[in-house]
Amino acid sequence: DAGITQSPRHKVTETGTPVTLRCHQTENHRYMYWYRQDPGHGLRLIHYSYGVKDTDKGEVSDGYSVSRSKTEDFLLTLESATSSQTSVYFCAISETSGSGQSGEQFFGPGTRLTVL
Amino acid sequence: RKEVEQDPGPFNVPEGATVAFNCTYSNSASQSFFWYRQDCRKEPKLLMSVYSSGNEDGRFTAQLNRASQYISLLIRDSKLSDSATYLCVVNTGGGNKLTFGTGTQLKVEL
Repeated sequence: DAGITQSPRHKVTETGTPVTLRCHQTENHRYMYWYRQDPGHGLRLIHYSYGVKDTDKGEVSDGYSVSRSKTEDFLLTLESATSSQTSVYFCAISETSGSGQSGEQFFGPGTRLTVL
Repeated sequence: RKEVEQDPGPFNVPEGATVAFNCTYSNSASQSFFWYRQDCRKEPKLLMSVYSSGNEDGRFTAQLNRASQYISLLIRDSKLSDSATYLCVVNTGGGNKLTFGTGTQLKVEL
């Protein structure tokens, strides 16, 4: 299994509080991603990173920010959590840019976040 | 129309059966295709990539039809351990951004 860990694995928080989720990889892969997974939706990309300090928005980025100060760590921050951000959050990594038949992504174990 | 569409199932099949899942995608510029497997309350795991010529990995066969824009996954001799949700995943050409289907649930029964 790819060396990806996420912390915390479970979190319950209240509306309006800031929350930071951490993804840590030991594979030295260039690309890192944050997804959320909700019933009735496929995994949806929040933000991704293509290198240290290089990040870009995904399809559901509103209300989220990210930072990547080291290759191995990718942080997702909810500045002011809302109940609509209750979800399962997955971090993923990939080595290549996705052209041709490359671009497979490998996922961390997920963080279950509940916003009350 | 969703970018990637799958029949959500569930598909309930007896052990030993052959089962096939289809997936359609809307972006004709899509370049890479994958099947992932996700067990309940676990992370998605790559099952196999899908190549233009079709590819096989043991009991699993994946096919790609670019003209009709669909991908299929065939599982032969189903095992109880194959019970999971199977996600169809497409790289829609925007760098390395993947688009996920909502998944097809498979339940293999005795």
